[in-house]
Amino acid sequence: DVVMTQSPLSLPVTLGQPASISCRSSQSLVYNNGYTYLNWFQQRPGQSPRRLIYKVSNRDSGVPDRFSGSGSGTDFTLKISRVEAEDVGVYYCMQGTHGYTFGQGTKLEIK
Amino acid sequence: QVQLQESGPGQVKPSETLSLTCSVSGASISSSNWWNWVRQPPGKGLEWIGEIYHSGSTNYNPSLKSRVTMSADKSKNQFSLKLTSVTAADTAVYYCARESEGSYDYWGQGTLVTVSS
Repeated sequence: DVVMTQSPLSLPVTLGQPASISCRSSQSLVYNNGYTYLNWFQQRPGQSPRRLIYKVSNRDSGVPDRFSGSGSGTDFTLKISRVEAEDVGVYYCMQGTHGYTFGQGTKLEIK
Repeated sequence: QVQLQESGPGQVKPSETLSLTCSVSGASISSSNWWNWVRQPPGKGLEWIGEIYHSGSTNYNPSLKSRVTMSADKSKNQFSLKLTSVTAADTAVYYCARESEGSYDYWGQGTLVTVSS
């Protein structure tokens, strides 16, 4: 089974400051078609998860451009260039290359 | 706009069977997508339960495989989940979601199922 490990698990950030979340997989997420199925989701309190990023770095429609994804192989990062109050919630990485597995989640809060 | 809506009992007794249905609108379950169930215990993370294709093909989480059955009803544009022999550990918010290119692009609002006598 592929294990997804996120860090940090708690992320206090000052408004307007950048934030970064790391996600590492226990094996390469490159599929045999060359694509890497690594995704990022945001879950605001009391809401369903919402996809932000798919295939490592593709931002979903309506997602602010302050969110960006990067990485390759087994090492991935979600960055928020300037944190806003509406960004509070839990962020999950998820791999879809070998079945589906989620990271433990990173709780972003405002300092 | 694609919408998914879970429905089913909010409480199930221990050792009984949890049954949920996901109604899909704005898309056909006969499309080239897999249709998934994901759950989230209170205050915890997300766990993939399994998926079904309109042909009836399924894939299940190995940790739940012996207790899970999924089915699809193309005439109603719905798919369903059955989880047998439930315990308190199965208490969770259950989400249905559409898989697209190794990801979930649409999610239901989720339904809380509590296992309690």
